[in-house]
Amino acid sequence: EPEVTQTPSHQVTQMGQEVILRCVPISNHLYFYWYRQILGQKVEFLVSFYNNEISEKSEIFDDQFSVERPDGSNFTLKIRSTKLEDSAMYFCASSPGLVAFFGPGTRLTVL
Amino acid sequence: GNSVTQMEGPVTLSEEAFLTINCTYTATGYPSLFWYVQYPGEGLQLLLKATKADDKGSNKGFEATYRKETTSFHLEKGSVQVSDSAVYFCALGDHTGGFKTIFGAGTRLFVKA
Repeated sequence: EPEVTQTPSHQVTQMGQEVILRCVPISNHLYFYWYRQILGQKVEFLVSFYNNEISEKSEIFDDQFSVERPDGSNFTLKIRSTKLEDSAMYFCASSPGLVAFFGPGTRLTVL
Repeated sequence: GNSVTQMEGPVTLSEEAFLTINCTYTATGYPSLFWYVQYPGEGLQLLLKATKADDKGSNKGFEATYRKETTSFHLEKGSVQVSDSAVYFCALGDHTGGFKTIFGAGTRLFVKA
């Protein structure tokens, strides 16, 4: 069964550094998403991406965040200058339209 | 805006007990409803879904019925196992700006042997 994959599984970085989180969505899905889960808290929507552009973003998704689909398979989330409060689990998801299928997540730790 | 409210946890049960986790939603229109499960150290897995009123989603002994009149989608299982220990998230599909998923806060379930 096809799955969403994410790399790395765990990323440790220093405050102020840039990180890129990578995702390979399920092929033939049209919608791509990033969500965030701060430890012990709810899963929060960050951004959705459709037809090679952002279709919706939350207030969390400010100028330090960006997304790209650099080729036909990868979908990336870049955090430009990480802050301590960016420490969280980041989930990528893809969807054919109704149900979102989530990847295993990348745990980002900002020191 | 659309939102999901679910009962706070943790919920602690003995093996073979009956489980109910309450979930209600607020939404315009008729959203799709989901339960996702997160096992310790893992990602989010779709457990079941319902796409219209009176639909019953079921999987692995879990069930939930889409109740439009009470805007609810309560999760039930007749006999829980230790392996069901996880965090359960009620969610709805928000189709207003795309197809994003809006999650409840999650309910942690502990099942004791």
